[in-house]
Amino acid sequence: GAVVSQHPSWVICKSGTSVKIECRSLDFQATTMFWYRQFPKQSLMLMATSNEGSKATYEQGVEKDKFLINHASLTLSTLTVTSAHPEDSSFYICSARVNIGTPSGRAGYNEQFFGPGTRLTVL
Amino acid sequence: QQQVKQSPQSLIVQKGGISIINCAYENTAFDYFPWYQQFPGKGPALLIAIRPDVSEKKEGRFTISFNKSAKQFSLHIMDSQPGDSATYFCAASIWSTARQLTFGSGTQLTVLP
Repeated sequence: GAVVSQHPSWVICKSGTSVKIECRSLDFQATTMFWYRQFPKQSLMLMATSNEGSKATYEQGVEKDKFLINHASLTLSTLTVTSAHPEDSSFYICSARVNIGTPSGRAGYNEQFFGPGTRLTVL
Repeated sequence: QQQVKQSPQSLIVQKGGISIINCAYENTAFDYFPWYQQFPGKGPALLIAIRPDVSEKKEGRFTISFNKSAKQFSLHIMDSQPGDSATYFCAASIWSTARQLTFGSGTQLTVLP
């Protein structure tokens, strides 16, 4: 199956510092990756869509200058939380889109495979 | 509207019982409906998915029932086990593009031993 990894799995940082989170597709190439944020006992909130070789598309209300996304290769997307503050503490999850082929020539469909998440705590 | 409404918010079931989680959607363009299972501190994992050309899909103890006219779909977990205790999210997207998933609010399932 398609495996997506994230690093680090957890990070604690001081307020005002920047934190980089990596998302890697281990056994496939992903032209599109997604970044989500999840607060305790809540659903996943899409933050941005990361496309290889182009600028990320941010969802309404997400500060693109605060959450920098870089998708420099087909297997790596990074999310940098700049000048982190306690309210940025959350669980950040990435996913990678892969096209699942079907037999008999029928057009495949796109499935998303999720990483294990990164717990960010800003003190 | 892009919303997917999920219920119940929490569910407690005895071991061996049937767990049922329901979702309703509004956007008729949605044509791919996956369910995800998430354990605490982990990312969501695809459990089972359905397209609207079938009304039911079964994989092991997990079954999706789909009602296109009512714009509803549900997850049934047969013979529920304590190991099934997790948060379950329904989602919807457009199959050919899967530009993004629209998630339900989640259901925290507890299966009592």
